[in-house]
Amino acid sequence: GAVVSQHPSWVICKSGTSVKIECRSLDFQATTMFWYRQFPKQSLMLMATSNEGSKATYEQGVEKDKFLINHASLTLSTLTVTSAHPEDSSFYICSAINNEQYFGPGTRLTVT
Amino acid sequence: SQQGEEDPQALSIQEGENATMNCSYKTSINNLQWYRQNSGRGLVHLILIRSNEREKHSGRLRVTLDTSKKSSSLLITASRAADTASYFCATDLTDSWGKLQFGAGTQVVVTP
Repeated sequence: GAVVSQHPSWVICKSGTSVKIECRSLDFQATTMFWYRQFPKQSLMLMATSNEGSKATYEQGVEKDKFLINHASLTLSTLTVTSAHPEDSSFYICSAINNEQYFGPGTRLTVT
Repeated sequence: SQQGEEDPQALSIQEGENATMNCSYKTSINNLQWYRQNSGRGLVHLILIRSNEREKHSGRLRVTLDTSKKSSSLLITASRAADTASYFCATDLTDSWGKLQFGAGTQVVVTP
């Protein structure tokens, strides 16, 4: 099946700094990718839809200026958590569609 | 808001027993999918059932879909310790292609 990777797999950062998470489709091109967030012991919540060559669309309640999404190529979408705070600590998962939806392995972000 | 509700929230069984979990949703869907997630890991796609299908099998998995009741069930037969994980249903809504709405999840523990 198709493969989606994420980098880094885990990151610890200090409050107030920015963190960039990459999502790559390794063996297919994806014009659309999705970013999800999962807090501990909770389900996944869709944050935004990343569109290659155009602006991302954000779900209600997700701050677009805080979670910057850039889909610069057909195989790469990046999520930047700006001015991170401890409440942003979460598991961030991306997905891409190639006939069916494939999920990345996730990135665990801890903000201290 | 989350589309799906799942029950039970947690399920503890012994190896060899069957595990059944249910998912309900609120609006029209294109398809419904079930995923497994081991603690702290990414999602593993288990099975997809389309809105015009009523039942689907894959190995030890059996999924049913009742669109009139807006509900689905996942049955794992002859469970194994390796089946210990959280299981999520996810619906692909008819008016939002590719965006998945996840249920709250069922945590399954299979003891040897």
